[in-house]
Amino acid sequence: KQEVTQIPAALSVPEGENLVLNCSFTDSAIYNLQWFRQDPGKGLTSLLLIQSSQREQTSGRLNASLDKSSGRSTLYIAASQPGDSATYLCAVGSSNTGKLIFGQGTTLQVKP
Amino acid sequence: GAVVSQHPSWVICKSGTSVKIECRSLDFQATTMFWYRQFPKQSLMLMATSNEGSKATYEQGVEKDKFLINHASLTLSTLTVTSAHPEDSSFYICSALAPLPATDTQYFGPGTRLTVL
Repeated sequence: KQEVTQIPAALSVPEGENLVLNCSFTDSAIYNLQWFRQDPGKGLTSLLLIQSSQREQTSGRLNASLDKSSGRSTLYIAASQPGDSATYLCAVGSSNTGKLIFGQGTTLQVKP
Repeated sequence: GAVVSQHPSWVICKSGTSVKIECRSLDFQATTMFWYRQFPKQSLMLMATSNEGSKATYEQGVEKDKFLINHASLTLSTLTVTSAHPEDSSFYICSALAPLPATDTQYFGPGTRLTVL
């Protein structure tokens, strides 16, 4: 059974810092991996989707990497801003059915 | 980007009553939608997969007779929480799979906060 873990659970950084969020999964036979952002009391916004054949994806200040063999993914946020404050969720898709297994999330606070 | 809406955004009901939550894909047709539940400070847990025109597929441990799912059209799936109890209080989120060719993309609704008194 696939399990997804995110470390740390919470992170507080000053504005401008570069930071890394970690995601690990137990079964390396994944279909894809996605990173989402969730603001308090809101739904999810997709940030990056990495297919199993890819190593990384980039969008603006965000870069996500995938290492299937070690069961890890990282989300790198460059030059963090207060507007980046949110909970970041990692989710693994194990097949093309669309079903996702989510990690517990990392709650990020970027202080001005 | 594609938009998925949920209605209502929040609902408070008495124990024993039933509550229906709607999930709509506003600008695309979705043959597959998903329903998730999120308890405070916890992650999303998949409850069921909703397929248009067929019965929903429930995840292990989810009572199909309690959480009724109907996907009657390509733009609408409904989740009915029957005989709700306080332990059903949670944040319910739906998502819809994008149509071809971007079927790996899911668009999430804004969520529905259910409070059962």
